[in-house]
Amino acid sequence: GAVVSQHPSWVICKSGTSVKIECRSLDFQATTMFWYRQFPKQSLMLMATSNEGSKATYEQGVEKDKFLINHASLTLSTLTVTSAHPEDSSFYICSARDYVGGPYEQYFGPGTRLTVT
Amino acid sequence: AQSVTQLDSHVSVSEGTPVLLRCNYSSSYSPSLFWYVQHPNKGLQLLLKYTSAATLVKGINGFEAEFKKSETSFHLTKPSAHMSDAAEYFCVVSDFAGGFKTIFGAGTRLFVKA
Repeated sequence: GAVVSQHPSWVICKSGTSVKIECRSLDFQATTMFWYRQFPKQSLMLMATSNEGSKATYEQGVEKDKFLINHASLTLSTLTVTSAHPEDSSFYICSARDYVGGPYEQYFGPGTRLTVT
Repeated sequence: AQSVTQLDSHVSVSEGTPVLLRCNYSSSYSPSLFWYVQHPNKGLQLLLKYTSAATLVKGINGFEAEFKKSETSFHLTKPSAHMSDAAEYFCVVSDFAGGFKTIFGAGTRLFVKA
């Protein structure tokens, strides 16, 4: 089946620094990737939708300049949390869509836990 | 816009008894509906999906769900709970009007007692 990986699986960074999270579709081409954020004991909140070669579409309330998304190739999307603060600590999950499986099919990565100290 | 409501924030059952996790959705178009499971500190695993084919959908690990358009429901069931079923379950909706974005319900925590 389709596999999505994320790197790193967990990261600790100091307040004020930036951290980059990678999302890769390993065995399929993903024209669209999604980034979610999940706080402890809460549901997943869609942050943005990224299409290969174009700018990401952010959900209302998500700061574009803080959460930079790049979808440079059909197998890679990156999320960069800039000038991170403790309130950015969260579980970040990406997903990728493979049109072979139909427009609704999404495959989720294992998530990246970010802790900002 | 599409939305999904999981009617119970947590459900507790005894091992060997049936499981019912309730989900209602709102969608302007024919939606696709999914159930995912998330074990603590783990990623998401797809249990089953409905995409306009058979209304009774069978998934992995003995779970199944029935799409009822008249009730706008997509409840998840399992005849007999196992201890390993204890996890967080998410009902998810996606449709054309929403640009195929995937919208998650708030989640239902399933507890299984020995």
